[in-house]
Amino acid sequence: DQQVKQNSPSLSVQEGRISILNCDYTNSMFDYFLWYKKYPAEGPTFLISISSIKDKNEDGRFTVFLNKSAKHLSLHIVPSQPGDSAVYFCAASENSGGSNYKLTFGKGTLLTVNP
Amino acid sequence: DAGITQSPRHKVTETGTPVTLRCHQTENHRYMYWYRQDPGHGLRLIHYSYGVKDTDKGEVSDGYSVSRSKTEDFLLTLESATSSQTSVYFCAMSGTASYGYTFGSGTRLTVV
Repeated sequence: DQQVKQNSPSLSVQEGRISILNCDYTNSMFDYFLWYKKYPAEGPTFLISISSIKDKNEDGRFTVFLNKSAKHLSLHIVPSQPGDSAVYFCAASENSGGSNYKLTFGKGTLLTVNP
Repeated sequence: DAGITQSPRHKVTETGTPVTLRCHQTENHRYMYWYRQDPGHGLRLIHYSYGVKDTDKGEVSDGYSVSRSKTEDFLLTLESATSSQTSVYFCAMSGTASYGYTFGSGTRLTVV
């Protein structure tokens, strides 16, 4: 059973507009959520995260929103740029203690930003 | 530099042969992980390690084994490679909760 779901395999937006990537989860024990960005032939890289005690975290053009009651989070990119074109993975963590944050990933959403 | 490297970057092997992928980190992190990435499946955890000689299975561990004899090295072995193990393999090390994992650049394995 998939605990982290990204239901949109792909998303296409125009440069300068907003990109909204969505993620749903089923495990209420998840306490940390992260977004990773992945370019072809490279490993995923960390983008932004949010703790379950918050509902919003912002870093430059990237904002993550968390709705715990709906078990839903979203990543907003404003304004979108062609260099943002990549696969975005949503991930969730259930803290096992120490530094062992075993992450569960969604299947990813391919974002294409058209010039 | 991320402090984590994988080798080889690409490998083609024949069905039935053993294959070992290596992950090396210089950050002295206790936790390390092996994932595979496949179209339509995202990133799936194969095995992970929580210390030297301490390992555990992930969700897709069948056909794989791991070893960690030193903090810096985490090896993934396919005892007898099958075509279903053709994939891109990523190693990762665990940092803090705020940043999750740091990933290596991946190994593209093709089993023919």
